[in-house]
Amino acid sequence: SYVLTQPPSVSVAPGKTARITCGGNNIGSKSVHWYQQKPGQAPVLVIYYDSDRPSGIPERFSGSNSGNTATLTISRVEAGDEADYYCQVWDSSSDPHVVFGGGTKLTVL
Amino acid sequence: QVQLVESGGGLVKPGGSLRLSCAASGFTFSDYYMSWIRQAPGKGLEWVSYISSSGSTIYYADSVKGRFTISRDNAKNSLYLQMNSLRAEDTAVYYCARVSGDFPWFDPWGQGTLVTVSS
Repeated sequence: SYVLTQPPSVSVAPGKTARITCGGNNIGSKSVHWYQQKPGQAPVLVIYYDSDRPSGIPERFSGSNSGNTATLTISRVEAGDEADYYCQVWDSSSDPHVVFGGGTKLTVL
Repeated sequence: QVQLVESGGGLVKPGGSLRLSCAASGFTFSDYYMSWIRQAPGKGLEWVSYISSSGSTIYYADSVKGRFTISRDNAKNSLYLQMNSLRAEDTAVYYCARVSGDFPWFDPWGQGTLVTVSS
């Protein structure tokens, strides 16, 4: 099965830029989606198709995907961005078809 | 607005059964694939199952194959998950989510319902 690897934690000061990576074999050939989950809440989609933002998601959230690494970038980080972030891909040739990364806890210092 | 509301969670003994429901509103339910995703306490997200808009295509994660059954009633705008032969490792919050896109993503998600398998 396909494996997505995320760092367990990332820390950033308010106003700075946070980068959360998602590693996978040739992940650049797949479409990557990102979710934000705050404590006690359901996940919320923040990026789809590598870099598209759903309506209502701030422009501070952006994504990229190339080679073996996809990246979620959060600019001008705010205290309210503190959450767990998960990457996800869909691979119909894999079993299971849906794969989530292990999640990254973003801490705002 | 688009809304998904799960129900049916609770405490069940190992080997027991439970049926989860997800009531959808605010969109044309019959146009969308739907999915169940779970999250064990303190752990990450695990995809469980998805079902096509008509119900003709269904897939399961290996961890639940043969024990869980996903279904839907488009007339009632509802998604279901019948869970049999439950194990301690099935303890989790179960979310239903709408599936979108050709390389699908999940949006939105319901608030989740907690299933606890314990004697």
